[in-house]
Amino acid sequence: EPEVTQTPSHQVTQMGQEVILRCVPISNHLYFYWYRQILGQKVEFLVSFYNNEISEKSEIFDDQFSVERPDGSNFTLKIRSTKLEDSAMYFCASSSGTGSYEQYFGPGTRLTVT
Amino acid sequence: KNQVEQSPQSLIILEGKNCTLQCNYTVSPFSNLRWYKQDTGRGPVSLTIMTFSENTKSNGRYTATLDADTKQSSLHITASQLSDSASYICVVSVSGGYNKLIFGAGTRLAVHP
Repeated sequence: EPEVTQTPSHQVTQMGQEVILRCVPISNHLYFYWYRQILGQKVEFLVSFYNNEISEKSEIFDDQFSVERPDGSNFTLKIRSTKLEDSAMYFCASSSGTGSYEQYFGPGTRLTVT
Repeated sequence: KNQVEQSPQSLIILEGKNCTLQCNYTVSPFSNLRWYKQDTGRGPVSLTIMTFSENTKSNGRYTATLDADTKQSSLHITASQLSDSASYICVVSVSGGYNKLIFGAGTRLAVHP
């Protein structure tokens, strides 16, 4: 069964460093998403991406964040200058449509900023 | 403000017993309501998706209900198993966009032998 994959599973970085989190969505999906979950808190929407551009973003997704689909398979989230409060689990999701279409989540990348 | 509230926050039941989890939402415009299961340290996995016209939907031992008038939903788990121990998250999708999902905080269920 196709699944969303994410790498790395755990990333430790120092404050101020740039990190890139990688995702490989399900191959025939067209809509891509990033979410984050701070330890013990709700999952929060960050950004949605369709047709090679951001379709919607939350207030969390400020200028320090960017997303890219550099080739036909990868979908990346970049944080330019990490802060302690960026420490969280980051989930990628993909979907073949909107509305009632299923969003399939990856296993997540745990980002620890020290 | 779009919000999804869940109760109880946590629940302990014995294996084989049933339980019901509750969800209230204030999300507009409403598209659909989903229940996800999330194991610790893993991504959410979908259990059910319901649009406003659907009152109930089942997936094996999981049955979700939706009352779009009162903006309430429930998830009923029948004959619980140890593997049901997880967080169960109520999620509402906002209509008109690209499926932005609003997550509840989840109910942490522990099933004991």
